[in-house]
Amino acid sequence: KNEVEQSPQNLTAQEGEFITINCSYSVGISALHWLQQHPGGGIVSLFMLSSGKKKHGRLIATINIQEKHSSLHITASHPRDSAVYICAVTYTGTASKLTFGTGTRLQVTL
Amino acid sequence: NAGVMQNPRHLVRRRGQEARLRCSPMKGHSHVYWYRQLPEEGLKFMVYLQKENIIDESGMPKERFSAEFPKEGPSILRIQQVVRGDSAAYFCASSPLGRMDTGELFFGEGSRLTVL
Repeated sequence: KNEVEQSPQNLTAQEGEFITINCSYSVGISALHWLQQHPGGGIVSLFMLSSGKKKHGRLIATINIQEKHSSLHITASHPRDSAVYICAVTYTGTASKLTFGTGTRLQVTL
Repeated sequence: NAGVMQNPRHLVRRRGQEARLRCSPMKGHSHVYWYRQLPEEGLKFMVYLQKENIIDESGMPKERFSAEFPKEGPSILRIQQVVRGDSAAYFCASSPLGRMDTGELFFGEGSRLTVL
């Protein structure tokens, strides 16, 4: 059982829709990252969170430390947002090691 | 200011051959991490190196896999006697500190190994 769970695994949306991707983890963390990977491409860091909320353009990331849960929101989605979104955490006491979720594959259609 | 550079981007090997994957960290970064992404699976930690030292190799398969990060030159992930199950994308990341919880993560574009 993966220690970092993401949902949904696959998501199809129409352009303009509001999208939410969820991530939950099992024990205390020092940080949570949201990453983006385009098909056949590299991995890009979107956000690092240890508390609260961050916003960058149309992307918003939130984290609830007590609930051990984070969400990534995309407002006004666009086909270029189509990618795999990956949640990764560093557990408390093991800050050099990332544990990854299995990713959410997002397809945004016209 | 180049990012994390990996080469080759694509590598094809026949079963039994050796694969060498290279990673040059960002300028000023002395910590390198290797991850493997098997087809349709998530990324998994393999090894963490600092210059001339292996810090954590708990994710490395016990046989055929080795990694180094010499004083000069890139970090190298070496896979001997490759098998079809080694086919995967191998990603490298680097950081200025030995921590992944201080800010943005920097990954390379990955090296995609195909074993025939």
